[in-house]
Amino acid sequence: DQQVKQNSPSLSVQEGRISILNCDYTNSMFDYFLWYKKYPAEGPTFLISISSIKDKNEDGRFTVFLNKSAKHLSLHIVPSQPGDSAVYFCAASISGGSNYKLTFGKGTLLTVNP
Amino acid sequence: GAGVSQSPSNKVTEKGKDVELRCDPISGHTALYWYRQSLGQGLEFLIYFQGNSAPDKSGLPSDRFSAERTGGSVSTLTIQRTQQEDSAVYLCASGERSSQYFGPGTRLTVL
Repeated sequence: DQQVKQNSPSLSVQEGRISILNCDYTNSMFDYFLWYKKYPAEGPTFLISISSIKDKNEDGRFTVFLNKSAKHLSLHIVPSQPGDSAVYFCAASISGGSNYKLTFGKGTLLTVNP
Repeated sequence: GAGVSQSPSNKVTEKGKDVELRCDPISGHTALYWYRQSLGQGLEFLIYFQGNSAPDKSGLPSDRFSAERTGGSVSTLTIQRTQQEDSAVYLCASGERSSQYFGPGTRLTVL
């Protein structure tokens, strides 16, 4: 049973445009969400996170939006650059005792075309 | 400084053989995680070590899987009597929740 779902396996956008990566979750106990980026043959690297007490977090070209009522979050990349081409994983966790456990989605392959 | 390293980078083994995967975390990190990524799947939590506390083994898929962390540093993930469904990329990470630093992974192929 997938508790974190990334329904789009791939996304292709033009350089300079906005990339929007989506993530849905089913466990209402999740209250901390993260995005990781992964290049081929490398481990995932942390990109940005958001706590459930917020609905938006911004870091440079990257913004994460959280809609708790819809159990949905999205990552916006503006403007997209060819170097952003990678697999993006959404992850979620529950604060408290086991807050170290991250539940990951299957990832979305983003391709940014020059 | 040095990141998380894993060895070997690739391992091909025959069904039924035992394998050992190694992880060298970032120096000073007390938390260490093992994950598995099967083809077309997300990262699956396997086991978590924190300092001298008892590890959280709740993600290990079967008793053929075990892991140790010696001296609070290097960790070894052992898979006994490997099966074809064990084929995956095994990732190690060190650090805390939002600051987990991942190694490049070990790609395990069981023939």
